[in-house]
Amino acid sequence: DVKVTQSSRYLVKRTGEKVFLECVQDMDHENMFWYRQDPGLGLRLIYFSYDVKMKEKGDIPEGYSVSREKKERFSLILESASTNQTSMYLCASSPSGSPYEQYFGPGTRLTVT
Amino acid sequence: AQSVSQHNHHVILSEAASLELGCNYSYGGTVNLFWYVQYPGQHLQLLLKYFSGDPLVKGIKGFEAEFIKSKFSFNLRKPSVQWSDTAEYFCAVNEGRDDKIIFGKGTRLHILP
Repeated sequence: DVKVTQSSRYLVKRTGEKVFLECVQDMDHENMFWYRQDPGLGLRLIYFSYDVKMKEKGDIPEGYSVSREKKERFSLILESASTNQTSMYLCASSPSGSPYEQYFGPGTRLTVT
Repeated sequence: AQSVSQHNHHVILSEAASLELGCNYSYGGTVNLFWYVQYPGQHLQLLLKYFSGDPLVKGIKGFEAEFIKSKFSFNLRKPSVQWSDTAEYFCAVNEGRDDKIIFGKGTRLHILP
């Protein structure tokens, strides 16, 4: 079974804090993705990575950055958290050339106060 | 830019009723199409996919979807729903040029026992 794990299920941070969300996959997938999920807005792609040290912006990258130093790990960074970044964050991974095999983690519900 | 439209945000049905959830996409080229499902408290998972061939595709749990190219549509159907089908359903599109998936805003389906 493919496993995508995220470091926290629930996180509460204060405005202005630097926040790290970690994602690890155990299936040697080349692709990794970060989405945010908001009611009525569906899933929106923040950043994705096709390979180690490689990243590309998704649809809503503002206020976020990412890091992929190892193939299995993809980190999402909120440089200075704001209340409008309160959301559910989902990580996913997939093999190269197989977009349908996108496996999702359980999500991190982040609240910024 | 590619977009995906789901017509219904919230659908309420009684058990044994028939289901059809609408999905339209905007891209005119070759597309790969998906429906994902998120059951309460669970990970997002793939329900079914279309890549090519027979436009009527069957997925898990008795769901099916029909790709109608002339209408840019990929509607999800089930002849007789069950209480356990209560979930959020997302239509998604891949343009075939890369491994990104664009998601619709989702439809919350609530089945009354």
